[in-house]
Amino acid sequence: EVQLMESGGGLVQPGGSLRLSCAASGFTFSSYAMTWVRQAPGKGLEWVSTISDGGGRTYYADSMKGRFTISRDNSKNTLYLQMNSLRAEDTAVYFCAKLRGLWRIDYWGRGTLITVSS
Amino acid sequence: QSALTQPASVSGSPGQSITISCSGTTSDVGYYNYVSWYQQYPGKAPKVMIYDVSDRPSGVSNRFSGSKSGNTASLTISGLQAEDEADYYCSSYTSNNTLAFGGGTKLTVL
Repeated sequence: EVQLMESGGGLVQPGGSLRLSCAASGFTFSSYAMTWVRQAPGKGLEWVSTISDGGGRTYYADSMKGRFTISRDNSKNTLYLQMNSLRAEDTAVYFCAKLRGLWRIDYWGRGTLITVSS
Repeated sequence: QSALTQPASVSGSPGQSITISCSGTTSDVGYYNYVSWYQQYPGKAPKVMIYDVSDRPSGVSNRFSGSKSGNTASLTISGLQAEDEADYYCSSYTSNNTLAFGGGTKLTVL
């Protein structure tokens, strides 16, 4: 059974940094691309970033470029999202998701809440 | 503003069929067959209902079907049930190497 468990969420001040993790199990992690999607309170889904299976290719939404960095450790079956220069508008639940190919989500994690506030 | 356009809400009575549209452009929905649909209950993670325009993951009811015409994709739910009441989102790969989502549609079962 595919399981994705996000962690690292919490309260952070504007301008601060946070690193999210997503522990994966139930599939061969190194064979699949992964992605992060966020959802602000009461709002819709917003794609954040995608990383290829080997980590050599990364893609970002324009509003996250230069502030967020996606990475993975295939030896630990873990996906990461380093978030810097956080703003109030980054407040959201962040979901990690497994991909089939580069752009088809097939499994979602439960999400972790990031609140950016002073 | 979302890249893909969905109606904010749709409604239907039990047993009826409803269709949710997802409008894009020739740079996303119109060009690629990487359109997916997700169901989300409040406070829960989304669930994939349709991928690649019209394919259903195993375990998803065949009451859910997807299609595409031009720049618009559609999700149809037939034989509406109370448990179908949820938010529905579409997504599509885009020519900018990004994943675009629709703004979401709230389905109410009357």
